[in-house]
Amino acid sequence: EPEVTQTPSHQVTQMGQEVILRCVPISNHLYFYWYRQILGQKVEFLVSFYNNEISEKSEIFDDQFSVERPDGSNFTLKIRSTKLEDSAMYFCASSAQGAAGANVLTFGAGSRLTVL
Amino acid sequence: DQQVKQNSPSLSVQEGRISILNCDYTNSMFDYFLWYKKYPAEGPTFLISISSIKDKNEDGRFTVFLNKSAKHLSLHIVPSQPGDSAVYFCAASEHGTASKLTFGTGTRLQVTL
Repeated sequence: EPEVTQTPSHQVTQMGQEVILRCVPISNHLYFYWYRQILGQKVEFLVSFYNNEISEKSEIFDDQFSVERPDGSNFTLKIRSTKLEDSAMYFCASSAQGAAGANVLTFGAGSRLTVL
Repeated sequence: DQQVKQNSPSLSVQEGRISILNCDYTNSMFDYFLWYKKYPAEGPTFLISISSIKDKNEDGRFTVFLNKSAKHLSLHIVPSQPGDSAVYFCAASEHGTASKLTFGTGTRLQVTL
């Protein structure tokens, strides 16, 4: 069964450092997403991406965050200068279509980011 | 901002019995609802969904009920199996912002032998 692959599974970084989380979405999917879950809290939407541009983003997704699809297979989330509160599990997801009513998001296993 | 609430953080059910997981929402613009299941060290996995034009959707052992007037939905699992033990998330989206799912905090279901 096709799956969304995320790397690294766990990254530890110092506050202020840049972090890039990588994702390989399902190959025929056109819509890509990042969500995050801070420990003990709910899964939160960060950003959606379609046709090489951001289609929606949340208040969390500020100027410290950026996303990119550098080639035909990877989708990355960059945090420019990490803060302690960025520590979370980051989930990448992809979908064949953008309309939730006709479509389901497939999530990766997540990348755990720990900021010290 | 808890637009989607799952008030029971945990639930324990005996194998073979019915599991009922509840979810309430406050945003009347939500028109599509989903349930995701999550095992440790894995991402959320889609389970079942329902559009606001329906009040019930069934898929095998899983049934989702939607009560729009009460802004309440529930997931029924019958019969419950030990492999159903996981965290269950309710999620919702608004028409026009379909890529943005708003999740609840999850309910940990434990199915005991």
